[in-house]
Amino acid sequence: RKEVEQDPGPFNVPEGATVAFNCTYSNSASQSFFWYRQDCRKEPKLLMSVYSSGNEDGRFTAQLNRASQYISLLIRDSKLSDSATYLCVVTVGGYQKVTFGTGTKLQVIP
Amino acid sequence: TAGITQAPTSQILAAGRSMTLRCTQDMRHNAMYWYRQDLGLGLRLIHYSNTAGTTGKGEVPDGYSVSRANTDDFPLTLASAVPSQTSVYFCASSDSYEQFFGPGTRLTVL
Repeated sequence: RKEVEQDPGPFNVPEGATVAFNCTYSNSASQSFFWYRQDCRKEPKLLMSVYSSGNEDGRFTAQLNRASQYISLLIRDSKLSDSATYLCVVTVGGYQKVTFGTGTKLQVIP
Repeated sequence: TAGITQAPTSQILAAGRSMTLRCTQDMRHNAMYWYRQDLGLGLRLIHYSNTAGTTGKGEVPDGYSVSRANTDDFPLTLASAVPSQTSVYFCASSDSYEQFFGPGTRLTVL
C-alpha cells in the first residue's frame, strides 16, 4: 500500500460547482498534513495546512480524519483558475520525512 | 526576492555523461531537498540536507550525489547518467513544514 494515495482524476467540473478530493495515508504516526497546488509544468506551491480542527481559507476547506486516516479538500464556487493538480502531503517525525501524493487533477470547465 | 533558483532550465544529456544540477536559495533556510517528478509516481525525494555540512538519503538516492558546503547552495550531481534518470527535478527549501520549490530542471537522458 502506498504511504499516501490520491485519486488521479481528472475531475472535470463546471464553473461554480463544489468539488471535493480525498487523500488517504497509511502511517498512523503521521503528524502534519498539507495541500499543495501544482500548475502544469510549474513547481508545487503550498495551498493550505490541514489541522485537526479543520481549516478554511476563502473557498477552500481542508479537513483531517485521523480515525480513518484521510484528509480532504473542498473547493466551493470553482473558478477556471482553480484548474491545477492538487497534491496531498504528509509528514512523519519532522520536516525531512515528507511524502507527497501523486496528485489529483482538477479541470474547471466554462 | 528570488527565492529558489535552479539551473539549467532544461538539458539533454548523453547516457554515461556527468552533470550537476544547480540550486540556490536566498531565504537562509536550513533544510534543502532534491525531488524528481515522474508521471504517475509523483514527487520522490532523492537527497536532503537539514543544515549546511550535512546530507541524507531520500527514497531514490541511487545514481545521485549532493553536497551542502554552505546554506545557500545544494547541487545535485549525476555521475554517469542513464535514461531512467530522465525526469523533472525540483529543488526545495524550508525552515518549517512549508517547502518552497524552485522552477525545476527538465532533464532528458538519451
